[in-house]
Parts: sequence; C-alpha cells; structure tokens
Amino acid sequence: NAGVMQNPRHLVRRRGQEARLRCSPMKGHSHVYWYRQLPEEGLKFMVYLQKENIIDESGMPKERFSAEFPKEGPSILRIQQVVRGDSAAYFCASSPYVADTQYFGPGTRLTVL
Amino acid sequence: QKEVEQNSGPLSVPEGAIASLNCTYSDRGSQSFFWYRQYSGKSPELIMFIYSNGDKEDGRFTAQLNKASQYVSLLIRDSQPSDSATYLCAVKITGNTPLVFGKGTRLSVIA
Repeated sequence: NAGVMQNPRHLVRRRGQEARLRCSPMKGHSHVYWYRQLPEEGLKFMVYLQKENIIDESGMPKERFSAEFPKEGPSILRIQQVVRGDSAAYFCASSPYVADTQYFGPGTRLTVL
Repeated sequence: QKEVEQNSGPLSVPEGAIASLNCTYSDRGSQSFFWYRQYSGKSPELIMFIYSNGDKEDGRFTAQLNKASQYVSLLIRDSQPSDSATYLCAVKITGNTPLVFGKGTRLSVIA
C-alpha cells in the first residue's frame, strides 16, 4: 500500500512566480490536510479538504494561497506571487476518516529566491 | 489560541537509558493525542496515539496521558542512537478539528 505521495520534493521559485504543490493521499483515504513547517518551527495547519470540498481553511493565508482536491487527481496547494517568507517545507497528510490518525507524505521543500 | 508546549531541548541521554519527553496543552477539552518522530530533513512519522488517561505501551515506547493536569508524555526505554530525532507532540481538540503541534523536542542519544 503506497504511502502519501508529494511532488515535487524540491521546488525553487523566484519572487513573484507561482508554486504548485501536489499531494496524492494513501489509497482509501479521502481526507487531506496541508501543513507548513518553517525552519526550527513546528508544523502549522493550513487547510483540510475532502474530495471537491474545503472543510477548514482557517490556517491558510487569505491572499495568494489556495487549495483544491478535485474529484479526480491529487490535491493541489497553490501559492501565487511567492515571497521569500514562503520558503518552508510543506507537508501533506491523509486519513481515512476525519477523526482518524493522519499519515504524512515526504514533503515539498519550497525555496524562494 | 490552542497551544501545545514542549521543551525544545536538546535532551541528551546515554544509550540504554530512558528518555522522557513531555508535552502540555491548553485546551482542557482535547480528546486525542499523538506523538510523531521527525528526523532532520524528513517528514513526521507516527509513533503512538493515546485517547484515554493512563499509560499505553508499544514496544520500547510508552505514552502517558493525564487529562486533569493537561499533559502527555512519551517514554523511550533502552534508548538507541537511532532514536535521535525531534519528537513532535500533537493534539486534536475534537474529531474534526486539525492537529495542533508543539514545536518539538530534540532528543540526542549518546553512544
């Protein structure tokens, strides 16, 4: 059973460009969560999605950030007009049920030059 | 503001000793508690979860929960150098709320 998959693993963008991060949950998991981890910081919740629905986006900045989890295909976290402060590791986690344990993908390390 | 507090460490223990990692949380209504291990540059890996007061053992790991005192701990028996990592405590307030993470405790097991 393949785990949570994320790509790309490393992403370099210049200021003002768009970053698109993808997450494929574990087989049988319909709940996806995105977290951001800044250097020397803990993981911060950004957004929680089910298929075609955003359930909780309370941790996601209102501007430049968006997320989706379409009926077909991976969940995508999109960051428009990236700034240096967006440089971080972005982790996706999935679970089979909302109250169940979350399993993490390998993360995408975003570097903004 | 829901908070989870951990001592950042580093916590250094000799090989073979017991490592004790502690975590406190602010929301008294919290229901689920998780310990993740994160090696440098890697993603968090689930070690244990605990829902009820008391102890829960899994191999060399024991999670302890005291809801009255709002703390949860992780004991690692017979610590090995491979246990050297950052240990993240995470709390779920209710079933459909997101995980709230502490900043982690860095553990170093000295051979």
